[in-house]
Amino acid sequence: GAGVSQSPRYKVAKRGQDVALRCDPISGHVSLFWYQQALGQGPEFLTYFQNEAQLDKSGLPSDRFFAERPEGSVSTLKIQRTQQEDSAVYLCASSWRQETQYFGPGTRLLVL
Amino acid sequence: KQEVTQIPAALSVPEGENLVLNCSFTDSAIYNLQWFRQDPGKGLTSLLLIQSSQREQTSGRLNASLDKSSGRSTLYIAASQPGDSATYLCAVRGNYGQNFVFGPGTRLSVLP
Repeated sequence: GAGVSQSPRYKVAKRGQDVALRCDPISGHVSLFWYQQALGQGPEFLTYFQNEAQLDKSGLPSDRFFAERPEGSVSTLKIQRTQQEDSAVYLCASSWRQETQYFGPGTRLLVL
Repeated sequence: KQEVTQIPAALSVPEGENLVLNCSFTDSAIYNLQWFRQDPGKGLTSLLLIQSSQREQTSGRLNASLDKSSGRSTLYIAASQPGDSATYLCAVRGNYGQNFVFGPGTRLSVLP
């Protein structure tokens, strides 16, 4: 079946712009995760949803970062007033409860 | 706070060699450990998932071991091929959270 999809694949933003990144998880997957991966580093956890409930947002680096999953399927990660240090690959993953996490291809964000 | 390290950071080997990638973690209270592969510009592909009660998992030419008490895992790749060239990431999930904590990865190059 279809895997996790993310859009856009690439996004260039001017400093101060707001951006919205979309994640379509595998159908039926209860859990959804967002990670941030800087160049040459492993992914770092941002936030976690179980269905529509955001159960953990301890990894969000500032209050400029906001995530939602209103109907328990598609999720959006929003970054307000982007800064250059926000440049990274943003990865979404989904899983059926506590099983293997399946990752999307990521959105590569470049803030100029 | 869980910290994950991987050694070596980069590795270059001739085709056909057997090789070992190492992963260490500081908190042994883990739920499971997963090895991923990441190709340039791509998302993560799950290779092997080891539950905390297991000692090893095998898939084809890959074998992953887990020694929870010493905080170590190894990924063994037999008869390496140029197609194995990628970054290999180790990730651990703790008993009290849903997200993975990733290591920085080992960048593997297999030369034909």
